[in-house]
Amino acid sequence: DAKTTQPNSMESNEEEPVHLPCNHSTISGTDYIHWYRQLPSQGPEYVIHGLTSNVNNRMASLAIAEDRKSSTLILHRATLRDAAVYYCILDRGSTLGRLYFGRGTQLTVWP
Amino acid sequence: EPEVTQTPSHQVTQMGQEVILRCVPISNHLYFYWYRQILGQKVEFLVSFYNNEISEKSEIFDDQFSVERPDGSNFTLKIRSTKLEDSAMYFCASSPTIKTSGAYNEQFFGPGTRLTVL
Repeated sequence: DAKTTQPNSMESNEEEPVHLPCNHSTISGTDYIHWYRQLPSQGPEYVIHGLTSNVNNRMASLAIAEDRKSSTLILHRATLRDAAVYYCILDRGSTLGRLYFGRGTQLTVWP
Repeated sequence: EPEVTQTPSHQVTQMGQEVILRCVPISNHLYFYWYRQILGQKVEFLVSFYNNEISEKSEIFDDQFSVERPDGSNFTLKIRSTKLEDSAMYFCASSPTIKTSGAYNEQFFGPGTRLTVL
């Protein structure tokens, strides 16, 4: 599976922006970058995905480095409900769709 | 908003017993998955299912496991003879599209079934 590296944990204060980094130096040209998150006692939840360009949706923004070897998930204003494990996943371009979850980053949001 | 549902939320069974975990994927979705997460560990892929057959399975998905779509709405995971190490959260997921190279497939996960094997 395609390898990603994320910090084990990060902390933020409520209402502040959060930048969650992910390194994926072995990414290939057709790999999509996905972010999922897992809130406590829930199933994973899709957050955002991208290929080359930066992406925005209602949940977050995804900034992708020009060489695509790293990306950053940006939560513009963290809330207590954003406390979760965030997973950066490369979609290896196969036709089968399995997701490889790593350990992810545990985000703690302080009030 | 449509969502994946799973029943039961918690299943307790004795070692060696058969269990069936049930999932109702989102209605127009085509691709179905089972994942599991042992307490404190990573989410692990078990199997994917499309067009009434298994598309891919992991090394975890041995002969004790089987999947079925018995009707147009349910998707089940059966464990024939449970072992202590099968205790985990089991997540069902579905996606609306066939995964093709260069495309993405967002997977929608259910809330999980906690399986406890005693």
